Amino acid sequence: DAKTTQPTSMDCAEGRAANLPCNHSTISGNEYVYWYRQIHSQGPQYIIHGLKNNETNEMASLIITEDRKSSTLILPHATLRDTAVYYCIVTTGANSKLTFGKGITLSVRP
Amino acid sequence: GAVVSQHPSRVICKSGTSVKIECRSLDFQATTMFWYRQFPKQSLMLMATSNEGSKATYEQGVEKDKFLINHASLTLSTLTVTSAHPEDSSFYICSANGDRHGYTFGSGTRLTVV
Repeated sequence: DAKTTQPTSMDCAEGRAANLPCNHSTISGNEYVYWYRQIHSQGPQYIIHGLKNNETNEMASLIITEDRKSSTLILPHATLRDTAVYYCIVTTGANSKLTFGKGITLSVRP
Repeated sequence: GAVVSQHPSRVICKSGTSVKIECRSLDFQATTMFWYRQFPKQSLMLMATSNEGSKATYEQGVEKDKFLINHASLTLSTLTVTSAHPEDSSFYICSANGDRHGYTFGSGTRLTVV
């Protein structure tokens, strides 16, 4: 699976949009971009995934560049409960394993 | 959506004993489950891929005789940490490929070996 690169940390103010970037320059044509987050001492929680089109669900939006070499996860109105480590992962899906990098720690401040 | 139940959530055991952790898919069948380990302030590290009805596939550096995996049914995979030592203390997490979202994770098991 392709490797991803994320900043170590970022913060944003409560109520504002949080834009979390991810680079995946070696992504293959059949690999999806997945985002998970992990709140302390819990299992990772699925957020969103996409192949090449932008995606939106009740939690977030995923913007994938046209060349698919990078993407941005957008939390439109961050709350304190969104403070977590966010992982960007690329995988072919199905029963392929997920390889976690270090992720980005998002801190939402009041 | 798909739910993965992991039990126990916390366990403390004495050094030298064995501990079994269960991972159940509650509303779907999972032919493949994954076991991860996470040390404090580190990311999840994949230990092994559990395959229903066949042997698990272990990642490089993971001792298969120490971390026994059994996937006897389409809804249950177990991880047994044998002859546990303090260095095995960690957060163990399982996952399964459940629905259109792909991978669902259990809530994790905090193992402390004393």
